Amino acid sequence: EPEVTQTPSHQVTQMGQEVILRCVPISNHLYFYWYRQILGQKVEFLVSFYNNEISEKSEIFDDQFSVERPDGSNFTLKIRSTKLEDSAMYFCASNLGTRGDEQYFGPGTRLTVT
Amino acid sequence: GIQVEQSPPDLILQEGANSTLRCNFSDSVNNLQWFHQNPWGQLINLFYIPSGTKQNGRLSATTVATERYSLLYISSSQTTDSGVYFCAVLKAAGNKLTFGGGTRVLVKP
Repeated sequence: EPEVTQTPSHQVTQMGQEVILRCVPISNHLYFYWYRQILGQKVEFLVSFYNNEISEKSEIFDDQFSVERPDGSNFTLKIRSTKLEDSAMYFCASNLGTRGDEQYFGPGTRLTVT
Repeated sequence: GIQVEQSPPDLILQEGANSTLRCNFSDSVNNLQWFHQNPWGQLINLFYIPSGTKQNGRLSATTVATERYSLLYISSSQTTDSGVYFCAVLKAAGNKLTFGGGTRVLVKP
């Protein structure tokens, strides 16, 4: 069964460094998403991406964040200058994009900023 | 935005017991999904259930969209059922999932 994959599973970085989190969505899916979960809290929407542009973003998704689909298979989330409060689990998801379609989640990347 | 409330926040069960988790939401939805977050933090898809009833082994779910709630049933619970259960909804005019606060389940042997 096709699945969303994410790399790395765990990333440790120093405050102020740039990080890139990578995702490979399911191949025929058209919409891609990033969500994050700070330890012990609920999962929060960051951004959705369709047709090579952002379709919706939350207030969390400020100028420090960017997303890109650099080729036909990868979808990346970049944090330019990490802060301690960026430490969280980051989930990538994808779906076909028809109204109400199920979103398929990857296993997550745990980001630790020290 | 849409509000999603889950209850109870915490649940302790003896192995073999049955339980019901509830998810209430404040607006019309096109999608409702239930997830289990395992001890490694992974979100495991349990059900995609915008309406109706579905069953998968010892788990089943029912969504009554007109009354804005969904229920997740765990029968004959096992220690591997421990973890946090989240429901998430997609508002009728959007494409982002809004998650509830989760129910933390501990199944004791």
